[in-house]
Amino acid sequence: AQTVTQSQPEMSVQEAETVTLSCTYDTSESDYYLFWYKQPPSRQMILVIRQEAYKQQNATENRFSVNFQKAAKSFSLKISDSQLGDAAMYFCAYRLGTYKYIFGTGTRLKVLA
Amino acid sequence: DSGVTQTPKHLITATGQRVTLRCSPRSGDLSVYWYQQSLDQGLQFLIQYYNGEERAKGNILERFSAQQFPDLHSELNLSSLELGDSALYFCASSSRTSGVHNEQFFGPGTRLTVL
Repeated sequence: AQTVTQSQPEMSVQEAETVTLSCTYDTSESDYYLFWYKQPPSRQMILVIRQEAYKQQNATENRFSVNFQKAAKSFSLKISDSQLGDAAMYFCAYRLGTYKYIFGTGTRLKVLA
Repeated sequence: DSGVTQTPKHLITATGQRVTLRCSPRSGDLSVYWYQQSLDQGLQFLIQYYNGEERAKGNILERFSAQQFPDLHSELNLSSLELGDSALYFCASSSRTSGVHNEQFFGPGTRLTVL
């Protein structure tokens, strides 16, 4: 069975610093997709970044980048130059095929001024 | 604004009651997903519809049911409500059935409180 594990329930980062959120997953499939979603206090789910498993190049979106290690089944999110608006719950998600999404339990990120 | 709408925003009801949550996907999106998020928990996938047909089922209780109508809006019906059903219920939609761009766009959620 596929699982997604976020082992850090909570993380803190100083404003303007860099923080890395961890995510590991378990699957026997070779073709899948990985996502990071952000959930601010408004509870809206916002897509941050996505990665195709068949691509070796790590995805980057402005201050957000991932470190995708397929063999290790690891998909961490790096946030550079952290801003107060980055404070939120971050969920790692795995998508197999066309419809099966599995979410991790989330990491709460606090940004300290 | 994701383009996905959900009504109502908040719902307060009593145990044993039945409620209906409504979701309108983004224009052109054929797939609708329902998720349950209990307090400080991750998202639990409930069910997915594609163009009116049930495509996948997750951890959905038998007391819960859903459908997608010809105009592609979807309803999630929760019956015989229990205190533990109190949660945030999200609807998400996506356009294509394959490919990385099949990202899900989430609605704002319906917060259900069962007293």
